[in-house]
Amino acid sequence: GQNIDQPTEMTATEGAIVQINCTYQTSGFNGLFWYQQHAGEAPTFLSYNVLDGLEEKGRFSSFLSRSKGYSYLLLKELQMKDSASYLCAVRYFSGAGSYQLTFGKGTKLSVIP
Amino acid sequence: DTGVSQDPRHKITKRGQNVTFRCDPISEHNRLYWYRQTLGQGPEFLTYFQNEAQLEKSRLLSDRFSAERPKGSFSTLEIQRTEQGDSAMYLCASSLPDMDAYGYTFGSGTRLTVV
Repeated sequence: GQNIDQPTEMTATEGAIVQINCTYQTSGFNGLFWYQQHAGEAPTFLSYNVLDGLEEKGRFSSFLSRSKGYSYLLLKELQMKDSASYLCAVRYFSGAGSYQLTFGKGTKLSVIP
Repeated sequence: DTGVSQDPRHKITKRGQNVTFRCDPISEHNRLYWYRQTLGQGPEFLTYFQNEAQLEKSRLLSDRFSAERPKGSFSTLEIQRTEQGDSAMYLCASSLPDMDAYGYTFGSGTRLTVV
């Protein structure tokens, strides 16, 4: 089975840095994704890690440690528009001959002035 | 191409009625997925198509749910004899076989309320 844990809520100040952690237990692991979802909207792709290490994309970075089953999303220079839910998702080989994506419950980030 | 389109955006129905939702994926994407999301939860996988073939269905998908993708383009998700527990956002996503660089592209979803 697949199990993904991330904090339910976080609050951070505009201009600051915030780190959102995600731990997972997955059989057939084949990559980890982060998505951003504003209230009432569709999830949008942020980042993808399949090898250990840090991937940087502008203000957003994502880290993966496969041996620890751990990832984090780092958001720098926070802006009010970063207030959203951040979804950690694991890709795994489903055994039905395809790869599937399973999501954590999401971390609701509130950015305050 | 304007991305993944879903119709309708909102649907209110009485318990026991049937509903059908439509998803139009990005045209060059041959993979299409249906997910369901309730408040405060992440999306839960329902089913997946590669072209017109339905390759996988979640155990969450009871026999009241059926999905089709008749010509490998748009897809429909039908729920028969709706129940209040079916109230959720139904998300459609599409992707290319190698989704590494881009992940899935999600539509804006259909919000179903069963009263």
